[in-house]
Amino acid sequence: AQSVTQLGSHVSVSEGALVLLRCNYSSSVPPYLFWYVQYPNQGLQLLLKYTAGATLVKGINGFEAEFKKSETSFHLTKPSAHMSDAAEYFCAVSAGGTSYGKLTFGQGTILTVHP
Amino acid sequence: GAVVSQHPSRVICKSGTSVKIECRSLDFQATTMFWYRQFPKQSLMLMATSNEGSKATYEQGVEKDKFLINHASLTLSTLTVTSAHPEDSSFYICSARDSPLETQYFGPGTRLLVL
Repeated sequence: AQSVTQLGSHVSVSEGALVLLRCNYSSSVPPYLFWYVQYPNQGLQLLLKYTAGATLVKGINGFEAEFKKSETSFHLTKPSAHMSDAAEYFCAVSAGGTSYGKLTFGQGTILTVHP
Repeated sequence: GAVVSQHPSRVICKSGTSVKIECRSLDFQATTMFWYRQFPKQSLMLMATSNEGSKATYEQGVEKDKFLINHASLTLSTLTVTSAHPEDSSFYICSARDSPLETQYFGPGTRLLVL
């Protein structure tokens, strides 16, 4: 079985400040990890993913995430927040075995960016 | 990234009627598509996995006779909500997996309102 926990349902930052969205996962097999962003009344857009190899993954819009196996974490960061980053962010895990290819999502974190 | 479309984007129907939602992968072939349901302020819940040329696999608690899924081609999957009731009102999102990249690309979602 696999699961994802996103710490903090709401995160608020000032424009230009560091963005840190936390994600911890549980998986019985080596996971694939994803971050998606969702704007209101829209589908999900892939920000970045980790499948293997380099543990620091860079994505679109200046976001990056680091896979830390020892901490079972995949936190999302951006050095400087922009107003357009305001959205809901979902961390997801995909694993093998009987759950092959299925994504399990975290509860989501709403990011608010203040001017 | 790959593009997935959904049609319609919004539908309002009367209780007891059936509604069909289409999900298309526009620039890649998807042997597997997924259907999710998202309630307001909640995460995505996987309803079923749709495999081209075979029967869909439904998650526990999802009524297969109510949510009919057809994956007739490598670029099209359809979800039909049969005999819709107000409690079926929700945001339905599909995704298509771009194997072997193991990434799910999401459609923009369909807002269903059953009166």
